[in-house]
Amino acid sequence: AQKVTQAQTEISVVEKEDVTLDCVYETRDTTYYLFWYKQPPSGELVFLIRRNSFDEQNEISGRYSWNFQKSTSSFNFTITASQVVDSAVYFCALSEGWSGGGADGLTFGKGTHLIIQP
Amino acid sequence: GAGVSQSPSNKVTEKGKDVELRCDPISGHTALYWYRQSLGQGLEFLIYFQGNSAPDKSGLPSDRFSAERTGGSVSTLTIQRTQQEDSAVYLCASSLTSGRAYEQYFGPGTRLTVT
Repeated sequence: AQKVTQAQTEISVVEKEDVTLDCVYETRDTTYYLFWYKQPPSGELVFLIRRNSFDEQNEISGRYSWNFQKSTSSFNFTITASQVVDSAVYFCALSEGWSGGGADGLTFGKGTHLIIQP
Repeated sequence: GAGVSQSPSNKVTEKGKDVELRCDPISGHTALYWYRQSLGQGLEFLIYFQGNSAPDKSGLPSDRFSAERTGGSVSTLTIQRTQQEDSAVYLCASSLTSGRAYEQYFGPGTRLTVT
């Protein structure tokens, strides 16, 4: 079963618009971590944020904000006043201990390709 | 400080040949991870090391794949008798230590093309 779903394959908006990237996850663990990564055209994955399952406070960092809702198993990412430099593929990822080791790799969604048009 | 480095950045090889991909993690990071990124499969986790030990190798796609880490630092991913379906970008990541809580920092990847 797919554990991280990013239903939006591609989003295209005009610069300065706000845009929200959706992420829905599935886990049997009560303790888990969620992450967002950015992959610009250069290809290197860049860490954006980590959130643990016990902390449902929303977080804001500059133009970026994250909304974590356990009730809907979602961890959505909003970019306010988007800029061309925000164009990239964004990945949501899950880290859980279900498989036993507590240290297995991240389970990634398929990614959302965000295009910001000038 | 220096990030995760990988070499080579690009590798073109003929079907049936062996290849070695190298990863140099961030200094002080004890955990190291290998992933594969392809159009069809997205980002797949392959294997991780805590120190020199790889507790679980079940994520490796086939027995043609192996990985080792020596001295708690550099790691090599070896693919024997390469097949066309092995073509992908191989990403390495490191984190301070293993465990769910720690973010992983990724290298630029090695793009492998099997002809």
